[in-house]
Amino acid sequence: GENVEQHPSTLSVQEGDSAVIKCTYSDSASNYFPWYKQELGKRPQLIIDIRSNVGEKKDQRIAVTLNKTAKHFSLHITETQPEDSAVYFCAASRGNNAGNMLTFGGGTRLMVKP
Amino acid sequence: ETGVTQTPRHLVMGMTNKKSLKCEQHLGHNAMYWYKQSAKKPLELMFVYNFKEQTENNSVPSRFSPECPNSSHLFLHLHTLQPEDSALYLCASSPEGRNTEAFFGQGTRLTVV
Repeated sequence: GENVEQHPSTLSVQEGDSAVIKCTYSDSASNYFPWYKQELGKRPQLIIDIRSNVGEKKDQRIAVTLNKTAKHFSLHITETQPEDSAVYFCAASRGNNAGNMLTFGGGTRLMVKP
Repeated sequence: ETGVTQTPRHLVMGMTNKKSLKCEQHLGHNAMYWYKQSAKKPLELMFVYNFKEQTENNSVPSRFSPECPNSSHLFLHLHTLQPEDSALYLCASSPEGRNTEAFFGQGTRLTVV
């Protein structure tokens, strides 16, 4: 089955700095890579996703890159703000018509210091 | 509010009890999921239902028994659980088909004593 590794497990940055979280996956058949943000005591929410036919995607301060050959993908947050503090999860899915089979990474606790 | 509602939000049960977790979605989605979130472990997919049919059982012990009476409701029946089953249980739903966003509920915080 799929195995997703996520690093680092914790990340502390100063407000305004950039943050990068990296994930690797094992199943070359995976073709969908979402990123979820989970604030303390709240549900995980999708912040950005990328499909295997795209190498990079950007949405305002967040961007995701995908290297299919190396089987890794990364989340980049620029100009971090205190409200970016949360746990971020990457995931990989080989998705079929029966639904998503998301395998999640272990999560990264991001702390943005004012 | 994402439209996925879970009840109860918190549950404490003894190892000999039988309880059920409920999930309801009003998003018109056809796929529903149960995930387990333990401290210091990744979110683990437990079950997948598509159009009320179970399409995935991720080697979950039989003390967890899912039920999906229709595309809007999903239950997780619990019996003779172990303390290590204490975790946050998250329900999610997604539109039919592959590679679509999964919308999560708030979760049920389960403590087995």
